[in-house]
Amino acid sequence: QQQVKQSPQSLIVQKGGISIINCAYENTAFDYFPWYQQFPGKGPALLIAIRPDVSEKKEGRFTISFNKSAKQFSLHIMDSQPGDSATYFCAASMLSGGYNKLIFGAGTRLAVHP
Amino acid sequence: DTEVTQTPKHLVMGMTNKKSLKCEQHMGHRAMYWYKQKAKKPPELMFVYSYEKLSINESVPSRFSPECPNSSLLNLHLHALQPEDSALYLCASSQEFARNTIYFGEGSWLTVV
Repeated sequence: QQQVKQSPQSLIVQKGGISIINCAYENTAFDYFPWYQQFPGKGPALLIAIRPDVSEKKEGRFTISFNKSAKQFSLHIMDSQPGDSATYFCAASMLSGGYNKLIFGAGTRLAVHP
Repeated sequence: DTEVTQTPKHLVMGMTNKKSLKCEQHMGHRAMYWYKQKAKKPPELMFVYSYEKLSINESVPSRFSPECPNSSLLNLHLHALQPEDSALYLCASSQEFARNTIYFGEGSWLTVV
């Protein structure tokens, strides 16, 4: 019940295309859903996040779509660029014992080809 | 740029050595975390400090010893590590008692030889 399932494991997209990464969760106690972007040799950096009372959030080329009833959420990267090539982790968070308990998906390695 | 600063960026240590990883944040966050990340895997939680007190220890072996000297600093003392402990060690922080983002540092790459 604590798991966050992420797919696909890897993704190859042509420059200018749309990258789509999907995640699903079971525990309805999760109430905050961040996406992290991680480049090789670097720490994860927050990309965009959404709360379950919102069905969509857009920041530049990045959009999260959230389906509360299906317990699914996805990241769309529009006009994908080679600089977007990185590993993307979805996550689900809830308060537990006074801290943010963060459960990560397994990650998606995105390669954007020129 | 991340506001969580970790040093050193790279560390190579022998199995009998004692070393420390250091982390600093100046965002006023009162929850601080240590995560371990192996290649091609998501980060795994090791420890959580809340108001400078250890709140969570995710069954981490005693060869890893965390310390929180003050609200801005977090250390991870390493002793008698094994080669399988080689990984990226990430420090993170967040506001406590708030559904807010966890901010990660760049990490310290540890190689145990």
